[in-house]
Amino acid sequence: NAGVMQNPRHLVRRRGQEARLRCSPMKGHSHVYWYRQLPEEGLKFMVYLQKENIIDESGMPKERFSAEFPKEGPSILRIQQVVRGDSAAYFCASSPPVLGEPGNTIYFGEGSWLTVV
Amino acid sequence: GEDVEQSLFLSVREGDSSVINCTYTDSSSTYLYWYKQEPGAGLQLLTYIFSNMDMKQDQRLTVLLNKKDKHLSLRIADTQTGDSAIYFCAESKSFQKLVFGTGTRLLVSP
Repeated sequence: NAGVMQNPRHLVRRRGQEARLRCSPMKGHSHVYWYRQLPEEGLKFMVYLQKENIIDESGMPKERFSAEFPKEGPSILRIQQVVRGDSAAYFCASSPPVLGEPGNTIYFGEGSWLTVV
Repeated sequence: GEDVEQSLFLSVREGDSSVINCTYTDSSSTYLYWYKQEPGAGLQLLTYIFSNMDMKQDQRLTVLLNKKDKHLSLRIADTQTGDSAIYFCAESKSFQKLVFGTGTRLLVSP
């Protein structure tokens, strides 16, 4: 059973370009989460999605950032007009619909490292 | 508000026990977690504990929870050089949104 798959693992963008980060959840998981880790900091929650629905986007910056989880295909985190401050590691996580039982918890991908030059 | 604090560094010798501490502020936290992150890598879930538990043991790992003081600790017995990593404490009311500490960098010397 493959884990949470993120790509690209590393992405370099010039200021003003767009960055698209993709996340395929674990098999059987219908919930996806995006977290951002700035250098030397812990992870900060950005957004929680189910298929075709944004459940909680309280951690998303108001501008330039968007996320989707379509009926088919991976979840996408999109950053428009990137700035240097967007340089960070972006982690995707997934979970099954029923939580609380042993093993049914959130699992993280290996992250996508965005560098804005 | 929600806040999770950890000390930044811990250095131990191989074979010793390591104890990594964490404090949190949200008394309604339901789940508490420990994650491990190696350089340039993702997060590995080590263990988690429900807030109605005081202790959980899993092989070399022991988690202690003092809910009154909002204090969580992770003890690693017989620490090995391969345990060198950053350890993150996290809490949540539900599984959907985790609040992470800034991480404790554990350095294990031979």
